[in-house]
Amino acid sequence: EDKVVQSPLSLVVHEGDTVTLNCSYEVTNFRSLLWYKQEKKAPTFLFMLTSSGIEKKSGRLSSILDKKELFSILNITATQTGDSAVYLCAGSGSEKLVFGKGTKLTVNP
Amino acid sequence: DSGVTQTPKHLITATGQRVTLRCSPRSGDLSVYWYQQSLDQGLQFLIQYYNGEERAKGNILERFSAQQFPDLHSELNLSSLELGDSALYFCASSVAPTFTYEQYFGPGTRLTVT
Repeated sequence: EDKVVQSPLSLVVHEGDTVTLNCSYEVTNFRSLLWYKQEKKAPTFLFMLTSSGIEKKSGRLSSILDKKELFSILNITATQTGDSAVYLCAGSGSEKLVFGKGTKLTVNP
Repeated sequence: DSGVTQTPKHLITATGQRVTLRCSPRSGDLSVYWYQQSLDQGLQFLIQYYNGEERAKGNILERFSAQQFPDLHSELNLSSLELGDSALYFCASSVAPTFTYEQYFGPGTRLTVT
């Protein structure tokens, strides 16, 4: 059965810290790995990764995919209180998108 | 604002009842996806329509059905409601028929079954 597992489930850090969120996946006919940020409302898109080893960056956020180890990480540097959210990872196959249960990140001032 | 609209925002109903959730995709998007998000199950894919046709099916119960109309808006029908159906229901849209493209999520409909 297809599954996406995220770790840790929750994380509490101080502003300025760097965090790494983990996502492992087993998805039939895997096509891409997507990261979303959810702040008490609808998920918003962060990254889509399709190739191994190529880092995607957006400001303080970056992500990379390892298709051999079926793994992705999301890094956030110099965290801010506005980064507090649930971060969702999803693996897309040919006919489905499977989400992990998310990592709840709390950034304290 | 993603450009995807969902109505109603909140819905409270009793067990055994039937409800209809409505979604309008972003302008130009042909794909509509429905998701259910509950505390214990996380975000679960239910069903996808592309340009009026059912494209993919996920963990959708037989009591649930959906359709996409010629103007591309979609409706999710939930019948014989049970307490366990209480959840946040999201609609998302994308331009392409496959799951490999970015999906834009609507604000969700919170369904409470009492």
